[in-house]
Order: sequence, then C-alpha cells, then structure tokens
Amino acid sequence: QKEVEQDPGPLSVPEGAIVSLNCTYSNSAFQYFMWYRQYSRKGPELLMYTYSSGNKEDGRFTAQVDKSSKYISLFIRDSQPSDSATYLCGGTSYGKLTFGQGTILTVHP
Amino acid sequence: KAGVTQTPRYLIKTRGQQVTLSCSPISGHRSVSWYQQTPGQGLQFLFEYFSETQRNKGNFPGRFSGRQFSNSRSEMNVSTLELGDSALYLCASSLGDREVLYEQYFGPGTRLTVT
Repeated sequence: QKEVEQDPGPLSVPEGAIVSLNCTYSNSAFQYFMWYRQYSRKGPELLMYTYSSGNKEDGRFTAQVDKSSKYISLFIRDSQPSDSATYLCGGTSYGKLTFGQGTILTVHP
Repeated sequence: KAGVTQTPRYLIKTRGQQVTLSCSPISGHRSVSWYQQTPGQGLQFLFEYFSETQRNKGNFPGRFSGRQFSNSRSEMNVSTLELGDSALYLCASSLGDREVLYEQYFGPGTRLTVT
C-alpha cells in the first residue's frame, strides 16, 4: 500500500465548476500536507501547504486536512481552463516528502 | 528572484553509461532534494542535501548518488544506467532551516531517456 493514495482521474469539468480533489494517507507521522500543480512538461508548482488538521484558503483554492480520518482535500472554486493540470498531494515527516500519483484535471470552456 | 534551474533539460544515454545532472537552487536556499518522476511510480524521493551533507535518503539503489557544493548547487549521478532509469528527474530547493520539507520549489526537470 502506498503511503499517499490519490485517484489519478482523469477528471473533466466545465468552466466555473467547483472541483474537489482528494487523497488519503497512511503515515501518522506526517506533519505538513501540501498541494502542487504540474503543467505538462513543467516542474511541480507549490499551491499551498497546511500544518496538521484544518483549512487554508488562498484565492479560489481551499486545502483541507482531517488527520483523524487521514484525508487531504483541495477545492477549486470557479474553475478556469488555466487550472487544467495534474494536481499532486503530498505529506511530509522529517526528511521526506511523499506524493500521491497525481490527478489529471481538465477544465473545458 | 530566479527560480530553480536544472541542466541539461534533455539527455539521451545508452544502457551501462553514467550520467550527471545539475541543479542550482533559489538564492538563499540551502536544501536541495532530488526526485524521480515516472508515469508508473509517480514522484519519488531520491535524497536531500543540506550544507553539503546528505541529510535524508529515499529507497533507491546505490547507483544513484549526489553531492552538494558550498554554494548549495547540487549534482546527481546515476551509474550503470538501466532502461528503467528513463524518467523526469526533478530538483527542488527550500530554505532548509527545518528538516521537515514543507515548502519546496521545483525546477523544470531533466528528461533522461535510456536506450
């Protein structure tokens, strides 16, 4: 079993939709949780990170962590075609960052 | 501030050869991590260097090695290349002030093809 599980999709939504991306993890030692966005042929770009459980909002993006159920979520409001990318969730304990497989998202006009 | 740079961007090598990849971190960042990204395995942690010392290591064979210089630039070496080493190799930098790698910034990657 992988430490971070993520549905690879692909996920296709119309412009303006609310997108929900989810991951589960098994490593109780994870302290920080992050979401990265990766466009084709580019390196991953840090969207946001959270410490422990709770919510964090940045513009149209909201990250949510529930440590009791080991669940990580990213919500995208008013999705745009420019949001089309692969979204990677991850968790980190000392010295190591572990990623999910990534979810391919397409937002069509 | 300039981002993380990696050279070369593309490489084609033959089985059995060795290869060296280079990474220049964001100015002021002292931690450099290396990752391998493949369609089948996703993004996997290779190792992390901080102040010229390997601080953490993933589960890769000894053919994969790295080093960091006093200016925080880092190199990664893969010896005796195998077909399965074909991947996108990504470098990420962070301040490194804490060992927990929570805010890393990635470079564009080096696409290695082994034939």
